[in-house]
Amino acid sequence: ETGVTQSPTHLIKTRGQQVTLRCSSQSGHNTVSWYQQALGQGPQFIFQYYREEENGRGNFPPRFSGLQFPNYSSELNVNALELDDSALYLCASSDSLAGGQETQYFGPGTRLLVL
Amino acid sequence: AQSVAQPEDQVNVAEGNPLTVKCTYSVSGNPYLFWYVQYPNRGLQFLLKYITGDNLVKGSYGFEAEFNKSQTSFHLKKPSALVSDSALYFCAVRDTRGGSYIPTFGRGTSLIVHP
Repeated sequence: ETGVTQSPTHLIKTRGQQVTLRCSSQSGHNTVSWYQQALGQGPQFIFQYYREEENGRGNFPPRFSGLQFPNYSSELNVNALELDDSALYLCASSDSLAGGQETQYFGPGTRLLVL
Repeated sequence: AQSVAQPEDQVNVAEGNPLTVKCTYSVSGNPYLFWYVQYPNRGLQFLLKYITGDNLVKGSYGFEAEFNKSQTSFHLKKPSALVSDSALYFCAVRDTRGGSYIPTFGRGTSLIVHP
C-alpha cells in the first residue's frame, strides 16, 4: 500500500452538479497528479501540481480544476457534471519533478457516478 | 504525439508457466516507460520503469521488462506465473521531447493465471 489517500471512496451526483475530490499525498511528496479512468480504459492525465502551481494539463475542459495546498494535499473540482464524467478518479504523488523519470504512487481512487 | 498500445485485452496462462504482457509505444524523442498493476477496486501499483541504460529492467514481485528500441516495445515478463498475479496491467510512456512529460497509458491487459 502507498501512503496516498483519497476521499470519498464513492460518490453519486446528478448531472449539472459540482463535486470536490480530495487527495492526501505520501509523506515527503510535493507533486500531485490527477487521472480519470473510465470503465475499461487506462488512466487519462488531467493535470499535475508542483508546489501549489499547476505544472501540466491534459486534454480536459476548464470545468476540471484543482488546487494544491501548502501541505501538498490536493483537490480536484469538477463543475457542471456530465454523464461521461462517471469514472474512477485517481490521485498520484511523487517526490519531485525529475524530468519525467519520477515514479508516481497512486491512491485507491474515488469512484464517481453521475446520474 | 505519443501513444501506447497493449494489443491483447486478455492474457491467459497456467500457474508456473512464463508470462508475457505486450506493450508497444510511439514517441518523438526517447521514451520513459513504466508498468503498473491494478487489482480490483484498487489504485495502480508501480512495478518497474525504464529510463536509460540496461535494456532489461527488473522490478517488483519477480517481474521484468525488456526495452527494445528497434521494435518500440517494452514487454512485461515473469518466468513463473502465480495465481496471485491475476490483475490488470498497464503500460505507460512519457516522451522526453517537448518537456511536458505528460504520461500516456495503454488501455490495459487483463492477466488471468489459472491454477
